[in-house]
Amino acid sequence: QVQLQESGPGLVKPSGTLSLTCAVSGGSISSSNWWTWVRQPPGKGLEWIGEIFHSGSTNYNPSLKSRLTVSVDKSKNQFSLNLSSVTAADTAVYYCARVSSKGGDYWGQGTLVTVSS
Amino acid sequence: EIVLTQSPGTLSLSPGERATLSCRASQSVSSSYLAWYQQKPGQAPRLLIYGASSRATGIPDRFSGSGSGTDFTLTISRLEPEDFAVYYCHQYGNSPPTFGQGTRLEIK
Repeated sequence: QVQLQESGPGLVKPSGTLSLTCAVSGGSISSSNWWTWVRQPPGKGLEWIGEIFHSGSTNYNPSLKSRLTVSVDKSKNQFSLNLSSVTAADTAVYYCARVSSKGGDYWGQGTLVTVSS
Repeated sequence: EIVLTQSPGTLSLSPGERATLSCRASQSVSSSYLAWYQQKPGQAPRLLIYGASSRATGIPDRFSGSGSGTDFTLTISRLEPEDFAVYYCHQYGNSPPTFGQGTRLEIK
C-alpha cells in the first residue's frame, strides 16, 4: 500500500520560503507516475501547484511558476516543494499526491501552512 | 489552461435520492484523463472515478461517471448518508492539470 506523508514548517513569515517534503513509502518514486503538489486555502477549492516525474521533468502552475521549485530525491524516495516570496494568500493545506494514468490515487493527509509574522 | 466549471455549486438532496453533478470544460478534454474526487471535512480528496467512467478500487457501484469532450457527469444512483461531501472534477491530460471549483452535496 503506497503512503505519502508531508512534512515541513507549519508557519512561514511573509516574504520567506515555504518548504515541504513528501515521503513516499510502499512504492518507488521511480515508478511511472507524476508526483504532485496540490493546495487548498481554508474554506476553498483545490489548486494544482506542480508535478515532477522521477526523471526530473517538471510542470508548474503558470501563476506560481516564477516562485516555485519542485524537486525529487530518489535516494530518499521523496519529493519536495519550495515556494518563495510567500504572502498570506499562500496560506493553505498542502497535499502531495501520486497521479498516474488512473488519476490521483494516493494522497498525503495534508499539512496546514500559515503565512504570518 | 483548461477551465473546469462544475454545477450546481450546491446540491440539496435526501438519502435514497439520485444525484447528478456536472463538469464542463472550456475546451475538449481527453476522456482518458478526467477524474472525480470526493472530499470530506478535514480529509484528503478520495479518487472515485478516472478515465471519465472507470471506478477506482473499492468505490461502490452506486457511483458512475460518464461524458466526453467538454461535458462530464458524476451520478450517485442512491445517496447514502456518507455520500454528503464536496465533489471535484480534475483533468490531467492537458498541462497544466486543473480542478473544478467543486460541488457541495448537502442533506436536504
